Amino acid sequence: GENVEQHPSTLSVQEGDSAVIKCTYSDSASNYFPWYKQELGKGPQLIIDIRSNVGEKKDQRIAVTLNKTAKHFSLHITETQPEDSAVYFCAPAGSASKIIFGSGTRLSIRP
Amino acid sequence: ETGVTQSPTHLIKTRGQQVTLRCSSQSGHNTVSWYQQALGQGPQFIFQYYREEENGRGNFPPRFSGLQFPNYSSELNVNALELDDSALYLCASSPGQANNSPLHFGNGTRLTVT
Repeated sequence: GENVEQHPSTLSVQEGDSAVIKCTYSDSASNYFPWYKQELGKGPQLIIDIRSNVGEKKDQRIAVTLNKTAKHFSLHITETQPEDSAVYFCAPAGSASKIIFGSGTRLSIRP
Repeated sequence: ETGVTQSPTHLIKTRGQQVTLRCSSQSGHNTVSWYQQALGQGPQFIFQYYREEENGRGNFPPRFSGLQFPNYSSELNVNALELDDSALYLCASSPGQANNSPLHFGNGTRLTVT
């Protein structure tokens, strides 16, 4: 079956530093690459997404980069703040393929 | 714009019982998906409904079933509950049938089976 791997599973960074989370997928039909943030007691919320016709997208402190040849995409958070502490999931998808979520990355921001 | 709402927020059931979880989709969205999220794991796809028809199913047994109503709200039913069914159940709505669009999640129903 199709596979989605997310690394690292946990990440602790000093406030103000950058964090990078990588997602590797196997389904070559994937053409939509979102990142979701899940805070305690809440459902996942979309924070940024990219489609396969672009290599990079940025929204303030958050960016996503895509390498479709290598089948991976990454979430970049710069100038991290305490409110960035959460669990982050990737969920690559194609128009007809099943959505598979990564296993999540627990990000902790140290004061 | 009304977001996705789920009820109840928490539920405790006994093994062998049946449960119904409910979801109201975001206004303008005609597709609803259900996910099971075990503690410390990513959401696992159960099934999706588009315009009242099942439109895809994950690796879950037939005792997991669902419905979508004309107003696009949805129910997830689980029969013969097992201890391993204890999890957070998430509902997500999206504006179309295709899977390559953003999912809008509710805050989930925490089900505990004892």
